Amino acid sequence: AQKVTQAQTEISVVEKEDVTLDCVYETRDTTYYLFWYKQPPSGELVFLIRRNSFDEQNEISGRYSWNFQKSTSSFNFTITASQVVDSAVYFCALSEAKITGGGNKLTFGTGTQLKVEL
Amino acid sequence: KAGVTQTPRYLIKTRGQQVTLSCSPISGHRSVSWYQQTPGQGLQFLFEYFSETQRNKGNFPGRFSGRQFSNSRSEMNVSTLELGDSALYLCASSLYGTYGPNEKLFFGSGTQLSVL
Repeated sequence: AQKVTQAQTEISVVEKEDVTLDCVYETRDTTYYLFWYKQPPSGELVFLIRRNSFDEQNEISGRYSWNFQKSTSSFNFTITASQVVDSAVYFCALSEAKITGGGNKLTFGTGTQLKVEL
Repeated sequence: KAGVTQTPRYLIKTRGQQVTLSCSPISGHRSVSWYQQTPGQGLQFLFEYFSETQRNKGNFPGRFSGRQFSNSRSEMNVSTLELGDSALYLCASSLYGTYGPNEKLFFGSGTQLSVL
């Protein structure tokens, strides 16, 4: 069975601080996909990134960066120079890689509430 | 390009009633999936449809059902509502639901269901 653990329930930082959100996953699949989503108070889950298990390159997108380490089954998310607008709940998710049959099914972590204050 | 649209945004029902939620995927997307979000259980997968066929199902009782129409729009139905069904129901769409190398899953804003 797949499992995603986000041990940090809530993080509070002051604007301009860097913050890292942790994500640890469990799966027996050799090929899988990892995701990060942001959920602002409006409720919509906003897609941030998708990482394929066979691609261990780290990625940077503006103030966001992701560190994927297959050896430790972790996919951590760092926000550099945080801003108040970054305040939201962030979810890490895992999906098996079905070649046939399809059927999107994400297994989500419990989320990390990030509060960025002035 | 319009995003995933869910209606209604809010619903209040009483125990024993049934409810139907609607989801319009992004134009061109053929896979629609549904998730339930509660404070206690978090985000849980309900089911996924592609070309009007259910391809995957989560661990929910038979009171939860869905369907997809030929235009890819989807509805979710919950019969004999229970207090524990109070939740945010999120719909998501993607092109094929097979997670090809670049496929992404996009979510709507959800329907907040309150059962009294």
